[in-house]
Amino acid sequence: AQKVTQAQTEISVVEKEDVTLDCVYETRDTTYYLFWYKQPPSGELVFLIRRNSFDEQNEISGRYSWNFQKSTSSFNFTITASQVVDSAVYFCALKFSTGKLIFGQGTTLQVKP
Amino acid sequence: EAGVAQSPRYKIIEKRQSVAFWCNPISGHATLYWYQQILGQGPKLLIQFQNNGVVDDSQLPKDRFSAERLKGVDSTLKIQPAKLEDSAVYLCASSLVPGVHEQYFGPGTRLTVT
Repeated sequence: AQKVTQAQTEISVVEKEDVTLDCVYETRDTTYYLFWYKQPPSGELVFLIRRNSFDEQNEISGRYSWNFQKSTSSFNFTITASQVVDSAVYFCALKFSTGKLIFGQGTTLQVKP
Repeated sequence: EAGVAQSPRYKIIEKRQSVAFWCNPISGHATLYWYQQILGQGPKLLIQFQNNGVVDDSQLPKDRFSAERLKGVDSTLKIQPAKLEDSAVYLCASSLVPGVHEQYFGPGTRLTVT
């Protein structure tokens, strides 16, 4: 089965706390891409990061970091020193060679001041 | 660079009526996607076009949904007749090379069927 699971439905933190959003995927393909998208209240999906299945290096971009572990089929996303503007729904997605994206159910992050 | 454009942004119709949504992808993007996002869920692919040809429409309810991309640029998604369960946000996305590049999404059309 090709599937993306985001077990955390909602997370609430206080500003400046660190928060990790979990993503676990299933696929039989050896070549695939993983993505994270942010969906703010305005509704538009905003691309955050792409990682291919052959690149297990972790990545850091400002306050955002991603931990890709093929051994556990996980691609977790950490926000350091969270801010109110980080409040949104975050989606993890798996993409195949055709371009088709399969999304997880999403994690709603609420950052309180 | 202009993003993916969609219209209308909101639409309210009664069940059994028809509705159409329009999408203009980013210039030069050959691949266009339509997704359905029901409240509380992740987007689900309805149909994928490569230029004006259909690549994947396996999850499109073909008895009531149709889509076209006649000139390989703009696309229209139609629902006829609409059901209550079609209430959702319909997202259009485009990408340069489907297997490699990220998809860029439009703002979506929020459809309410009453």
